[in-house]
Amino acid sequence: AQKVTQAQTEISVVEKEDVTLDCVYETRDTTYYLFWYKQPPSGELVFLIRRNSFDEQNEISGRYSWNFQKSTSSFNFTITASQVVDSAVYFCALRLPGGYQKVTFGTGTKLQVIP
Amino acid sequence: DVKVTQSSRYLVKRTGEKVFLECVQDMDHENMFWYRQDPGLGLRLIYFSYDVKMKEKGDIPEGYSVSREKKERFSLILESASTNQTSMYLCASSLYDSRGEQYFGPGTRLTVT
Repeated sequence: AQKVTQAQTEISVVEKEDVTLDCVYETRDTTYYLFWYKQPPSGELVFLIRRNSFDEQNEISGRYSWNFQKSTSSFNFTITASQVVDSAVYFCALRLPGGYQKVTFGTGTKLQVIP
Repeated sequence: DVKVTQSSRYLVKRTGEKVFLECVQDMDHENMFWYRQDPGLGLRLIYFSYDVKMKEKGDIPEGYSVSREKKERFSLILESASTNQTSMYLCASSLYDSRGEQYFGPGTRLTVT
């Protein structure tokens, strides 16, 4: 069975600080996909990024970056120079290949960016 | 613009009532999902469907059923609502390809009194 752990329940940072959200996953499969989603206060989850298990390159998109390390089964998300608009709940998720496969979500990390 | 819509944002029902939550997507996605979201528990999968008339149990299917008669519509049914089913319900869709990201609806906050 798959498992995704987001140990940080809530994080508060002051605007412009950098913050890293942790995600640790468990699976016995060698092929899998990892995702990050953002849920702003309005409630609708929005897709941020996907990573497949064969691609360990880190990715940067503007102020967002992701560090995928298979050796530690982690897929961490860093926001640089945080802004108030980054305040949201962030979810990490894992899915195995096959359209019949379900998606396993972590419990989420609530990020509050204080102006 | 891709869209997943849910029939209601807020719903209040009485214990024992039969409740229907409707979800419609316009992206021709094969997969559709129903989750419930509760504080501290994250998103828990209730049911999902990978094709018309196909359904798979998720992690917490007890007390729920689903219906998918058309590709674009996925309904969640609470046969006899109970207070412990008070929650936020989220619908999502994705391509059959498991690399595909999920697109979520705005959610329905259901209160059972």
